[in-house]
Amino acid sequence: QQQVKQSPQSLIVQKGGISIINCAYENTAFDYFPWYQQFPGKGPALLIAIRPDVSEKKEGRFTISFNKSAKQFSLHIMDSQPGDSATYFCAAKDQAGTALIFGKGTTLSVSS
Amino acid sequence: DGGITQSPKYLFRKEGQNVTLSCEQNLNHDAMYWYRQDPGQGLRLIYYSQIVNDFQKGDIAEGYSVSREKKESFPLTVTSAQKNPTAFYLCASSTVTGYYGYTFGSGTRLTVV
Repeated sequence: QQQVKQSPQSLIVQKGGISIINCAYENTAFDYFPWYQQFPGKGPALLIAIRPDVSEKKEGRFTISFNKSAKQFSLHIMDSQPGDSATYFCAAKDQAGTALIFGKGTTLSVSS
Repeated sequence: DGGITQSPKYLFRKEGQNVTLSCEQNLNHDAMYWYRQDPGQGLRLIYYSQIVNDFQKGDIAEGYSVSREKKESFPLTVTSAQKNPTAFYLCASSTVTGYYGYTFGSGTRLTVV
């Protein structure tokens, strides 16, 4: 019940296309859902995050869509660029737990 | 600039040796974390600490130990009891609630030789 399941494991998108990464969870107590971006040899960096009181949050080309009833959330990268090529992790936490629980990651390659 | 510093960037360990990974932050964060990253496994929690002199085990604490004697520092020791220590280790910090995101260090890559 503490898992966050992320898909796909890898994704290849053409420059200018839309990249979509999905995550699902079981624990209904989760109340914070961030996405992290990681480049090779570096630590992850917070990209965007959402709380369950909203269904969508947009920051530039990055959008989180959140479906509370389905217990799913997704990251959409519009107009994908080669510089977006990285590994993306979804995560979740609940009020009782301080530590984030991470998905297994998606490696995105944007071809030019 | 505020941030988290992990050292060393690369570390090589012989079988049977203990090694200590350093993590220092100047963000005035109360909480600190250690994660282990293996290919295709995501980030798995080793230990975390919400306050000085207190810490909790994560999902894969066996073979690891930590201390939190200062707010700024959270070193991780990989002991000889850890049977498969080769991995990328990430330290992070956050406010005590964690709702404003984690700041990660650049990681330490540990290799057993």
